[in-house]
Amino acid sequence: QKEVEQNSGPLSVPEGAIASLNCTYSDRGSQSFFWYRQYSGKSPELIMFIYSNGDKEDGRFTAQLNKASQYVSLLIRDSQPSDSATYLCAVTHSGNTGKLIFGQGTTLQVKP
Amino acid sequence: DVKVTQSSRYLVKRTGEKVFLECVQDMDHENMFWYRQDPGLGLRLIYFSYDVKMKEKGDIPEGYSVSREKKERFSLILESASTNQTSMYLCASSFRGQAGYEQYFGPGTRLTVT
Repeated sequence: QKEVEQNSGPLSVPEGAIASLNCTYSDRGSQSFFWYRQYSGKSPELIMFIYSNGDKEDGRFTAQLNKASQYVSLLIRDSQPSDSATYLCAVTHSGNTGKLIFGQGTTLQVKP
Repeated sequence: DVKVTQSSRYLVKRTGEKVFLECVQDMDHENMFWYRQDPGLGLRLIYFSYDVKMKEKGDIPEGYSVSREKKERFSLILESASTNQTSMYLCASSFRGQAGYEQYFGPGTRLTVT
């Protein structure tokens, strides 16, 4: 069973702090990794993707990938109350079928 | 921008009714998906289509069927709705981009079966 594990949270951080969201995956054949943000009652929105080991930065967001450890993370710098949402980690299925395997998500609360 | 639309945001149906949920994407994506999302259970794949008239069962296909007659449209059918199918239904489409298959979601349909 291919799995993606995330801490469900809630992760609570003060406004302006760095939020660190983590994800581990079991399928060593997974090649690409995605972070989705989902506000309550809304659908998931793709915010970051990464496929090479190391860091990838986009504004206040940094995705980090370590394939040897099968570990992906998302850092949110200068967290804002508007970042409060559930963050879903997703990885590609190693069969290259176009399917993604989703984690259950981590709920982030940014307190003013 | 990628646009995935779903026919209804909210739907209320009675037990035993046949229910059609429609999804349309405007980006010529080859893959389309139907998920349901329930509290504590996360996103679960119901069906997946990788081409017109082609479909593949996901993790929870029982009680559902799908139709893809045109590339842009993927329909989910509940043959005989039951109360345990009350859920948020999410459609997504994907293409092979820089990072592999990037998936984009529609706004969702919240279905209540009474």
